[in-house]
Amino acid sequence: EVQLVESGGGLVQPGGSLRLSCAASGFTCSSYWMNWVRQAPGKGLEWVANIKQDGSEKYYVDSVKGRFTISRDNAKNSLYLQMNSLRADDTAVYYCARDMSSGAWPLVFDYWGQGTVVTVSS
Amino acid sequence: DIQMTQSPSTLSASVGDRVTITCRASQSINSWLAWYQQKPGKAPKLLIYDASSLESGVPLRFSGSGSGTEFTLTISSLQPDDFATYYCQQYKNYPRTFGQGTKVEIK
Repeated sequence: EVQLVESGGGLVQPGGSLRLSCAASGFTCSSYWMNWVRQAPGKGLEWVANIKQDGSEKYYVDSVKGRFTISRDNAKNSLYLQMNSLRADDTAVYYCARDMSSGAWPLVFDYWGQGTVVTVSS
Repeated sequence: DIQMTQSPSTLSASVGDRVTITCRASQSINSWLAWYQQKPGKAPKLLIYDASSLESGVPLRFSGSGSGTEFTLTISSLQPDDFATYYCQQYKNYPRTFGQGTKVEIK
């Protein structure tokens, strides 16, 4: 059974940092693109970033470029999101999502974790 | 960025109704469109990809159609478990973008 479990969320002050983790099981993590998607309170879904199977390609939404870094450790079946210079509008539930694609081009998100809550407030 | 616009934003319907949700893209995305269902406090669930392909395990009452800039999600006979918020998402270009969501409520 595919499982994705996020951790690392919490309350942080504006300008602070946080590192989210996603532990994957039930599939060979190294075979798939992986994503982070967030949802602000009462709002819709926003794709944040994705990373290719070997980590050689990474893409970000403009609002987090230069502040967030996606990474992975395939040996540990884990995905990470390092978030720096956090702002109030980064407050959201952050979901780890597996991409359906095991090929060169990412597609859609077929498995999701339950999310971890990040609150940026003084 | 490709803008995705869903209509309506809210839909009131009864069990057994046929429901249609529309999603429009600001430019052609061919058939690179997915639909997700989300219930309160839960993660989204993939329903449809490639505009009309049903994800494994998703009931046959769900169907998708369209290409280019206009797409629809249809629920042929609404069931109690279907009351939720539905999102479309394009994956032709970066950044991946979602529609604002359509909440299907009990009438």
